[in-house]
Amino acid sequence: DVKVTQSSRYLVKRTGEKVFLECVQDMDHENMFWYRQDPGLGLRLIYFSYDVKMKEKGDIPEGYSVSREKKERFSLILESASTNQTSMYLCASTSTNLPLHFGNGTRLTVT
Amino acid sequence: AQSVSQHNHHVILSEAASLELGCNYSYGGTVNLFWYVQYPGQHLQLLLKYFSGDPLVKGIKGFEAEFIKSKFSFNLRKPSVQWSDTAEYFCAVTTSGTYKYIFGTGTRLKVLA
Repeated sequence: DVKVTQSSRYLVKRTGEKVFLECVQDMDHENMFWYRQDPGLGLRLIYFSYDVKMKEKGDIPEGYSVSREKKERFSLILESASTNQTSMYLCASTSTNLPLHFGNGTRLTVT
Repeated sequence: AQSVSQHNHHVILSEAASLELGCNYSYGGTVNLFWYVQYPGQHLQLLLKYFSGDPLVKGIKGFEAEFIKSKFSFNLRKPSVQWSDTAEYFCAVTTSGTYKYIFGTGTRLKVLA
């Protein structure tokens, strides 16, 4: 069974801090994604990666960056956290055009 | 730009009632369609998927969905809901040759016992 593991379930950070969200998958998937989930807005794509060191912006990349140094790991970085980045962050992985497999999510609160 | 619309944001049903959740997408080419479910406190799980072939697809837990190409729709149905179906449901689409999965805004279903 595919496992997508997000390093933290809950995170509280202060405004201006640099925040790292880590995601690891164990199925050798080439594609990995970061979404944020907000009530009434559904899932919005922040960034995705289709190969090691390759990344593409999603629909809401502002204020975020990503890193994919190894195939199994995809990190989301908030360079300077702001309160409007308080959200649930979801990592997902898949092979192309197959269903996404999601992690449990990280609920980030920025105060 | 591609988009997915879920018109029902909140649905409340009594147990044994029938369910239909709407999903429309805006893309004229070949699409792959998905319904995901998120139970309270749990991660998103795949309910069912459509890639090609029979437009009526069956998923887990008695759910099914029908792909109607002429209407750009992929509605989710269940003949008789249970209290345990209380969850949030998301429709998603991806197109062949792209990496992007576009999600709808979700429908919160509450089933009353």
